[in-house]
This record gives sequence, C-alpha cells and structure tokens, in this order.
Amino acid sequence: KQEVTQIPAALSVPEGENLVLNCSFTDSAIYNLQWFRQDPGKGLTSLLLIQSSQREQTSGRLNASLDKSSGRSTLYIAASQPGDSATYLCAVPLSSGNTPLVFGKGTRLSVIA
Amino acid sequence: DTEVTQTPKHLVMGMTNKKSLKCEQHMGHRAMYWYKQKAKKPPELMFVYSYEKLSINESVPSRFSPECPNSSLLNLHLHALQPEDSALYLCASSRALAGVVETQYFGPGTRLLVL
Repeated sequence: KQEVTQIPAALSVPEGENLVLNCSFTDSAIYNLQWFRQDPGKGLTSLLLIQSSQREQTSGRLNASLDKSSGRSTLYIAASQPGDSATYLCAVPLSSGNTPLVFGKGTRLSVIA
Repeated sequence: DTEVTQTPKHLVMGMTNKKSLKCEQHMGHRAMYWYKQKAKKPPELMFVYSYEKLSINESVPSRFSPECPNSSLLNLHLHALQPEDSALYLCASSRALAGVVETQYFGPGTRLLVL
C-alpha cells in the first residue's frame, strides 16, 4: 500500500529565505509525483508534476526534484515571500490510468515579513 | 480554460435535508473525481468516474450518491448526512488516457457543515 509522508509538518521562515520541503513515498513504482498548494479553506492548486522519467521540474521560484529509487521528492522554494504561506501537499497516483491520488499530510508554511 | 468550478461554495444542512453538490469542467476531461477533506487532513478519494461511468467507489456510505450526467458535469447528492460528514468536498478532473497518469485539476471545493 502506497504511503506518502511529508516533513516537516509545519515550517516558519523569514521572508527571503530559501527553503526545502520533503516528501517520501513507500512504493517507488510511481508514474509521477505532483506538488499542490492549498490556502486555508480553499481547493488545491497544482504547482508541479514530475513524470517518473524526470529528475526535476521548475516553475518560477519553485523547483521540484524526484529520486524514485530512494522514494523521495523535494520542493525547493527560492526567495520566499509572505504570499507563499500555505499548505503544500505532495501526491502520487495509486496506479496507472484514471487513478486516485494518495496525498501526504502536507507541510504548513508560514513566511514572516 | 483550465478551471474546475464547484457550487455552492458553502452549504449548511440538517441531517434530514437532501442537497446536491455540483462540479463542472470544460477542458474535455473524461475522468472526474470526488475527494473529501477533513480539517488538517489530506484529501481522501470518494469516487472516480471515467467516461461518465463509475469506476471507483471507495466504500462510501450510500447517503452520498454520485451522478455524472454528461462529460462536463459531476454531481454529488447528499441525503441524511451525519455531523461527521462535515468537510471540504473537492472535485477534480483529468484527461482519461489508458496507461497514462495525467495531472488532476482541482476545483475550489464546497465547504459542507451538517448540523
């Protein structure tokens, strides 16, 4: 059974710092891994999707890496801003096709101005 | 248009009420999903529809009844809910390609409170 773990559960940093969020998964036979952002009481916004054949993906100040063999992914946020404050979730598909996502519990990020 | 819309945004209902949640997308996606998210927990899958047919039901109680009347629309009919069903209900959609796992796009959710 696939399990996804995210550490830390919460993180508070001053504005401008670079930071890393961690995600690990127990079954390395994944098809892809997706990082989401969720603001309080809101839906999920997809940030980055890394295919199993890729090592990293970048979007603006965000960089996500994937190491399938070790069952790990990291989300790197450069030059953090107060607007980055949210919960960040990573998720992997349960299998191929139209499959549900298995989510980690998320990391709650607070960027202090 | 990469948007999934959900209505209503908020819903308060009594345990004897019947209500429906609505989800709509116009991206041509043929897979649609309902997830339930309790406070400070990750989303958990409830149902998956593929080409308007129910493909996965994660042992959800019958007081939740999904319906996919066409390729753009997904409903969740609610009846005789319990207070513990209060949660954020998220809809998502993705392209339905055999053997390929595509990005899921999520709606903003409906926050449900059952009194």
